[in-house]
Amino acid sequence: DAGVTQSPTHLIKTRGQQVTLRCSPKSGHDTVSWYQQALGQGPQFIFQYYEEEERQRGNFPDRFSGHQFPNYSSELNVNALLLGDSALYLCASSRLGGAEVEKLFFGSGTQLSVL
Amino acid sequence: DAKTTQPPSMDCAEGRAANLPCNHSTISGNEYVYWYRQIHSQGPQYIIHGLKNNETNEMASLIITEDRKSSTLILPHATLRDTAVYYCIVTRAGNQFYFGTGTSLTVIP
Repeated sequence: DAGVTQSPTHLIKTRGQQVTLRCSPKSGHDTVSWYQQALGQGPQFIFQYYEEEERQRGNFPDRFSGHQFPNYSSELNVNALLLGDSALYLCASSRLGGAEVEKLFFGSGTQLSVL
Repeated sequence: DAKTTQPPSMDCAEGRAANLPCNHSTISGNEYVYWYRQIHSQGPQYIIHGLKNNETNEMASLIITEDRKSSTLILPHATLRDTAVYYCIVTRAGNQFYFGTGTSLTVIP
């Protein structure tokens, strides 16, 4: 049973460019959340997708957008990259509305460097 | 969601119990306490969660005070592989998980 998978693992971009990160959730999960983790900080919530809709959003600008596909996989898009967008981007999947209390399962992340 | 307060760092001798405290004095009745840990450069890993009662699984034990305003994560026999940042999170069902800065635990040989 594959866990949460993210691609790519590392990425280097320049300021002003756009980037797309991808996430496949754990089998049986229907919800994907994205987090940004700067060096030395805890993960910061970007947004969550459920039933192909953005369900919750953290304090991030509109340059950060996402999408969820019918197979529950998800993409995170960041436009007009800034140096400060350099971070580890984490995807977490979960199952909403199930009998169990929701638990997040994380991928290993995509390390984005903006030069 | 209730905010949490954790010490920034702790040390523990290998083989001894590691007791990681968390204060969540503004917790609401329907909010759960979760613990996650993050080993360097990896994604956070779920450890345990609870609502009111103490919980135990193969990884750890969670002790929640009767007033629910604080909790302690116990790693019964710490190993070097338990060196990580430990996050205490309080949230209600269906809400986002807010990660603070956590406690950096170092297990010393």
